[in-house]
Amino acid sequence: NAGVTQTPKFRVLKTGQSMTLLCAQDMNHEYMYWYRQDPGMGLRLIHYSVGEGTTAKGEVPDGYNVSRLKKQNFLLGLESAAPSQTSVYFCASYSRTGPGELFFGEGSRLTVL
Amino acid sequence: AQSVTQPDIHITVSEGASLELRCNYSYGATPYLFWYVQSPGQGLQLLLKYFSGDTLVQGIKGFEAEFKRSQSSFNLRKPSVHWSDAAEYFCAVRPSGGSYIPTFGRGTSLIVHP
Repeated sequence: NAGVTQTPKFRVLKTGQSMTLLCAQDMNHEYMYWYRQDPGMGLRLIHYSVGEGTTAKGEVPDGYNVSRLKKQNFLLGLESAAPSQTSVYFCASYSRTGPGELFFGEGSRLTVL
Repeated sequence: AQSVTQPDIHITVSEGASLELRCNYSYGATPYLFWYVQSPGQGLQLLLKYFSGDTLVQGIKGFEAEFKRSQSSFNLRKPSVHWSDAAEYFCAVRPSGGSYIPTFGRGTSLIVHP
C-alpha cells in the first residue's frame, strides 16, 4: 500500500533550469495538492486539483505550473527555477468519501543554486 | 478567510513531563480541526481530528486534543512525553462544508530533553 509517492526526493538545480516533480497516489482520491514548506512558514498551498483535468491556484502559485492528466498523478513544474524556490515540497491527496484528512507524501527537497 | 495560529514556535520539555501545544483558529463557523505530526525528514501524519460530537478527542501515540468553541482553540495534550515525540506539530482547519482546502498553522517544534 504505497499511498502518496513523490519523485524525486532530492534535487539540486541551477538558476534558470526547469524540472518536474511527480506525485502519484494509489487511493483513487479526487483531490490532490502541492504545498511548499519553509522554516517558520508552515505549509503553503501552491496549486491543487479537484479532479482529473482540473487545477486551481493556491496561496503561492507564482513560478509554478501543474497538470493532472490522470487521476492518480499530479505534476508540479518549475519552468525557470529561482533560489527563492529552494524548499521542501509536499504532495497530498484527499477523498471526499474518506476519513476526512489529507494524506501526505514524504516530501521532495529542492535546492536552487 | 480562515486562519490558524500556533503561538509557540518551539517548546522544550523533559521526557516524562506533560505537554500542551496551543492552537487557535479564526473562522465564522465551527470548522473541522486537525493535528498532524512531522518527524524529521518525513511527511505529515495525522494525530487526531475533530468534526463534531465529544469535544475531547483521542488520537494516536497517546495524544488528545480538546475543542473549546468559546476560545476558538484546539490544544493538543499528552500526559507524559517520550523522546520519540520530538517532531514538528501542525494544527490545521478547514471548513465543514464546501471547500476541501485546509489551512495550516506555522507549526510548533517540540524538543524533548532526556
